Amino acid sequence: GQNIDQPTEMTATEGAIVQINCTYQTSGFNGLFWYQQHAGEAPTFLSYNVLDGLEEKGRFSSFLSRSKGYSYLLLKELQMKDSASYLCAVKYGGSQGNLIFGKGTKLSVKP
Amino acid sequence: ETGVTQTPRHLVMGMTNKKSLKCEQHLGHNAMYWYKQSAKKPLELMFVYNFKEQTENNSVPSRFSPECPNSSHLFLHLHTLQPEDSALYLCASSQDYGGSQSETQYFGPGTRLLVL
Repeated sequence: GQNIDQPTEMTATEGAIVQINCTYQTSGFNGLFWYQQHAGEAPTFLSYNVLDGLEEKGRFSSFLSRSKGYSYLLLKELQMKDSASYLCAVKYGGSQGNLIFGKGTKLSVKP
Repeated sequence: ETGVTQTPRHLVMGMTNKKSLKCEQHLGHNAMYWYKQSAKKPLELMFVYNFKEQTENNSVPSRFSPECPNSSHLFLHLHTLQPEDSALYLCASSQDYGGSQSETQYFGPGTRLLVL
């Protein structure tokens, strides 16, 4: 079966750096997405990785290792507004396969 | 504002009621999706429509019936639901459905459904 694992909760301090890990076991791989979801709101797109390596977008970076079935989302210079759930999602099963989401990691940023 | 709207935002219904959820996207996308989000569970993909044709149906009970009259509108018709169907129902759209970054999904705000 298809499986995605992420930590359930994390806590970090304003101004710090935090890394949220995601491991996956899927039948095929066609890209990995990270989404941010504030409480009571819709998920919003953060990043997409399909090749190994690091993609940087401002304070957020996402890394992928396909051989290890592993990704992380790195958040720098944390702000209070970064408190949210971060969802890892994997596209598997070929060019028109399904998208499977992890349960999400709830990040709390403290002053 | 992601360009995807959903109505109603909140819905309370009895198990014998029939109701419909509506989603509209203003992004010119070709693919639309329905997801269910329950507490402490991952987002569950329910249905996918690509160019108005249903592409995926992830073993969803027949009490949920989708309809896609055109590429901009998606409905989810509900009838004889169960209390365990209470959840946040999210609609999303993407430019394409084919496993690339163009499949980045943009979500609506969701409908919070409570079945009594």
